[in-house]
Amino acid sequence: GAVVSQHPSRVICKSGTSVKIECRSLDFQATTMFWYRQFPKKSLMLMATSNEGSKATYEQGVEKDKFLINHASLTLSTLTVTSAHPEDSSFYICSATQAAGVSYEQYFGPGTRLTVT
Amino acid sequence: DAKTTQPPSMDCAEGRAANLPCNHSTISGNEYVYWYRQIHSQGPQYIIHGLKNNETNEMASLIITEDRKSSTLILPHATLRDTAVYYCISFYNQGGKLIFGQGTELSVKP
Repeated sequence: GAVVSQHPSRVICKSGTSVKIECRSLDFQATTMFWYRQFPKKSLMLMATSNEGSKATYEQGVEKDKFLINHASLTLSTLTVTSAHPEDSSFYICSATQAAGVSYEQYFGPGTRLTVT
Repeated sequence: DAKTTQPPSMDCAEGRAANLPCNHSTISGNEYVYWYRQIHSQGPQYIIHGLKNNETNEMASLIITEDRKSSTLILPHATLRDTAVYYCISFYNQGGKLIFGQGTELSVKP
């Protein structure tokens, strides 16, 4: 099946700094990529949807100036957490779709564990 | 997207079939039923999806009731590696968003 990678898998940063997380579709071109956040013992929460070459669409309550999303190509999307605070510590997961006809499978990356100290 | 409800947890003996139910009573005619699972600290993994007919692949079978208000995911011979949280999601293809509920935490026991 299609493979999605994320880098880094774990990152620790100091409060006030910015962190960039990369999401890549390795063997297919992703028309759309999604970013999720997951707190311990909780379900995945959709943060934003991004299409290549256009601005991301953010879910209600997600600050677009704090979580910057860039989708520069059909295989790469980045999420930058700006001025990170301890409450931003979470598991960030991206996914990518390979829409073809009526098939719409969404493939997930392995996740990035962010810890803000 | 329609809301789904699942039991919060289930146990299953290793080697036996695991039957995970899902209610989606408000599903619309063009929404599919998708199943994903998430093993601890990993990204979700696609399992199967269907619209009206029952579906089977190498991982599981999906049984959808005739009125489409509920479905069951069947893992025919559960192994310890199937221990995970299983998510049932009703979803409109072609541009919709996957909205995850709380899922069912399946524990496969020896």
